[in-house]
Amino acid sequence: KNEVEQSPQNLTAQEGEFITINCSYSVGISALHWLQQHPGGGIVSLFMLSSGKKKHGRLIATINIQEKHSSLHITASHPRDSAVYICAVRHSGGGADGLTFGKGTHLIIQP
Amino acid sequence: EPEVTQTPSHQVTQMGQEVILRCVPISNHLYFYWYRQILGQKVEFLVSFYNNEISEKSEIFDDQFSVERPDGSNFTLKIRSTKLEDSAMYFCASLVWLSGSLSYEQYFGPGTRLTVT
Repeated sequence: KNEVEQSPQNLTAQEGEFITINCSYSVGISALHWLQQHPGGGIVSLFMLSSGKKKHGRLIATINIQEKHSSLHITASHPRDSAVYICAVRHSGGGADGLTFGKGTHLIIQP
Repeated sequence: EPEVTQTPSHQVTQMGQEVILRCVPISNHLYFYWYRQILGQKVEFLVSFYNNEISEKSEIFDDQFSVERPDGSNFTLKIRSTKLEDSAMYFCASLVWLSGSLSYEQYFGPGTRLTVT
């Protein structure tokens, strides 16, 4: 069974700061997702990674398969980035297995 | 952008009653999922569905739960006799593998908040 650990659990930062959220997992995966969840509850997919690095606007996600670790970075953070950021993994070798989720990182960006 | 829809957005039911949560996945997607999130806890996998049958289920998905794709567009989760601990947000998701690649696209629905009293 894959364990997904995120850190930090809670993060409060000032507008403009560079934000890093970390995720580690225990067994091999076929893909890792970074998701965003706002207070209303809906889940939005930000990235799906199986190797390397992806960038979308101010968001950057990296993954190191050997170290079983991924990071999500937010540059020039803004109050509208305040949300819960969730790491989730899909196991290796399973055609389309369900995702295993981390507990999420509660991010608050203060103006 | 394509979207997964779910109805109702909020369902209140009494303990012991049956509930059916409905999802309309994206039309060309082939894999369908139900997840749940108890308030304050992490999202948990319930079941995946492919080719008109369950492909994987978690230990949460016991005999009280069932899924169905009755008409080729809807994907439903039924809870036969609800318990207080079934109160949660239930998310549907759908996925399609992108042809010629090892990548896929996946979307989540907005969720149904189930409250069991």
